[in-house]
Amino acid sequence: EPEVTQTPSHQVTQMGQEVILRCVPISNHLYFYWYRQILGQKVEFLVSFYNNEISEKSEIFDDQFSVERPDGSNFTLKIRSTKLEDSAMYFCASSEESSYNEQFFGPGTRLTVL
Amino acid sequence: AQSVTQPDIHITVSEGASLELRCNYSYGATPYLFWYVQSPGQGLQLLLKYFSGDTLVQGIKGFEAEFKRSQSSFNLRKPSVHWSDAAEYFCAVGSRSNDYKLSFGAGTTVTVRA
Repeated sequence: EPEVTQTPSHQVTQMGQEVILRCVPISNHLYFYWYRQILGQKVEFLVSFYNNEISEKSEIFDDQFSVERPDGSNFTLKIRSTKLEDSAMYFCASSEESSYNEQFFGPGTRLTVL
Repeated sequence: AQSVTQPDIHITVSEGASLELRCNYSYGATPYLFWYVQSPGQGLQLLLKYFSGDTLVQGIKGFEAEFKRSQSSFNLRKPSVHWSDAAEYFCAVGSRSNDYKLSFGAGTTVTVRA
């Protein structure tokens, strides 16, 4: 069964460093998402991406964040200058273009900012 | 704005007993409703979803949920819990008008005792 994959599973970085989180969505999917879950808190929407552009973003998704689909298969989330409060589990999700949207989630990348 | 409330932070249930997890949503139009399960260290797995039609929906692992518009609820049930059902459960709401982004509840942690 096709699945969403994410790499790395765990990323440790120093505050102020740039990180890139990678996702490979299901191949025929057209909508892509990033969510994050700070430890002990709810899963929060960050950004949705469709037709090679951001379609919606939350207030969390400020200028430090960017997304890209560089090669037609990968979907990346970049954080330019990480802060301590960026430590969280980041989930990628994808869905087909249909009236009934079911998002398939990847296993997540745990980002730890020191 | 759409939102989801899961009133129970933690539920402990005996193996073989029934389980009900509560979910209330706030949204003006007909929502798309989902239940996801997250086992420790794992990603989010879809248990079931409601888009329209029959208000009682069946999912994987023996779970079912009932959509009650009058109560703005989408409670998850399982008649007989197995030890492997110990996990965190998230209710989520989405809609076409919000680009299908999902809003999650805070989650309910289920502990199963022998």
